Amino acid sequence: GESVGLHLPTLSVQEGDNSIINCAYSNSASDYFIWYKQESGKGPQFIIDIRSNMDKRQGQRVTVLLNKTVKHLSLQIAATQPGDSAVYFCAENLNTDKLIFGTGTRLQVFP
Amino acid sequence: DSGVTQTPKHLITATGQRVTLRCSPRSGDLSVYWYQQSLDQGLQFLIQYYNGEERAKGNILERFSAQQFPDLHSELNLSSLELGDSALYFCASSRRVDGSSPLHFGNGTRLTVT
Repeated sequence: GESVGLHLPTLSVQEGDNSIINCAYSNSASDYFIWYKQESGKGPQFIIDIRSNMDKRQGQRVTVLLNKTVKHLSLQIAATQPGDSAVYFCAENLNTDKLIFGTGTRLQVFP
Repeated sequence: DSGVTQTPKHLITATGQRVTLRCSPRSGDLSVYWYQQSLDQGLQFLIQYYNGEERAKGNILERFSAQQFPDLHSELNLSSLELGDSALYFCASSRRVDGSSPLHFGNGTRLTVT
């Protein structure tokens, strides 16, 4: 079943292409950021995180870029696969005890 | 599998009723968080517990309450239910208390209030 709102921004990509999902965060004092993937009927799944003392971090097929000047975070997925289809959330932590989530972006992968 | 277990998966109940949602955190995680996800509001933080004590509160209604037990499992109690309480309720756990480590989420409880 649907787990997020009906009016999410949607990114459609062809299988094999690279995907870039963007996120604008709200607070310049936030010091820790996480990307999550949420598939239908499941909870958010941790993908990758980055701290504010870094600009870039790479994982397996994923890269997160942090631009603190414009409060922008991006998730790059290389060689996008059908299994990457999901809703992607960024989350920020303001050195408090909770994560604040963005509204999410739906990624659709076409064969 | 995140290691966080939530029960039940689905719950259907009537307005005015009371329900309890249960969460078992990952082994070794002392912090437990509750989030609500509804169609029009995304993931909203409700409350956090650390080692049995309430640590942070978000947009949690007075009709809702939670606790964390000595074995670290947590329960979220929702009372006087209204139609608008229908949502997915997620539990998450983490190793650290200060939000500087990833939260690992369960697969949620889907609550439907009729």
